[in-house]
Amino acid sequence: ETGVTQTPRHLVMGMTNKKSLKCEQHLGHNAMYWYKQSAKKPLELMFVYNFKEQTENNSVPSRFSPECPNSSHLFLHLHTLQPEDSALYLCASSPDNNNEQFFGPGTRLTVL
Amino acid sequence: EDQVTQSPEALRLQEGESSSLNCSYTVSGLRGLFWYRQDPGKGPEFLFTLYSAGEEKEKERLKATLTKKESFLHITAPKPEDSATYLCAVQAWNSGNTPLVFGKGTRLSVIA
Repeated sequence: ETGVTQTPRHLVMGMTNKKSLKCEQHLGHNAMYWYKQSAKKPLELMFVYNFKEQTENNSVPSRFSPECPNSSHLFLHLHTLQPEDSALYLCASSPDNNNEQFFGPGTRLTVL
Repeated sequence: EDQVTQSPEALRLQEGESSSLNCSYTVSGLRGLFWYRQDPGKGPEFLFTLYSAGEEKEKERLKATLTKKESFLHITAPKPEDSATYLCAVQAWNSGNTPLVFGKGTRLSVIA
């Protein structure tokens, strides 16, 4: 395994629900990322944290709210999502923000 | 704007039939080019990083090469277990954050 874990692996939620995705890395890396992967599209970078500080917010709607309490953990809080937000959400980490990234297994999110 | 185009979109090979996947890129100064393998329902698995034109890297049946405009992933005598989507990404030189820009991937199927 890559040393990056994500929970839950699958999530089904209604448009009015609030849920959170969790990512943990055991690699001692300083940078963590959230990506969205939809069918037939390239991976879309959502957020970047470097040394716990958010350094990139790629025009992501406010219904997605990231949190990085320490350099090993990253959360993505979800509220009032839309059906088009259904996708595979991937977490990744890297030694710093200029190295190859190592990905977790992803959370398959379905918004009804 | 940095861009990555991968071709073909899908490739079907017989076991043992060697071929190459292409990744064409435009970037304002290449810091690194990355190849990943992604199996269905899983996160991308890091394969290679290439930094400069002329560089080559190998891993089992895979060899990645780099020119100033494109990279190739050569697959020699593939086996069914090589079936996956192969993703290419580039990272540009920048004084600040330098996120990876991904292509849409090539879906490889190797038939026994």
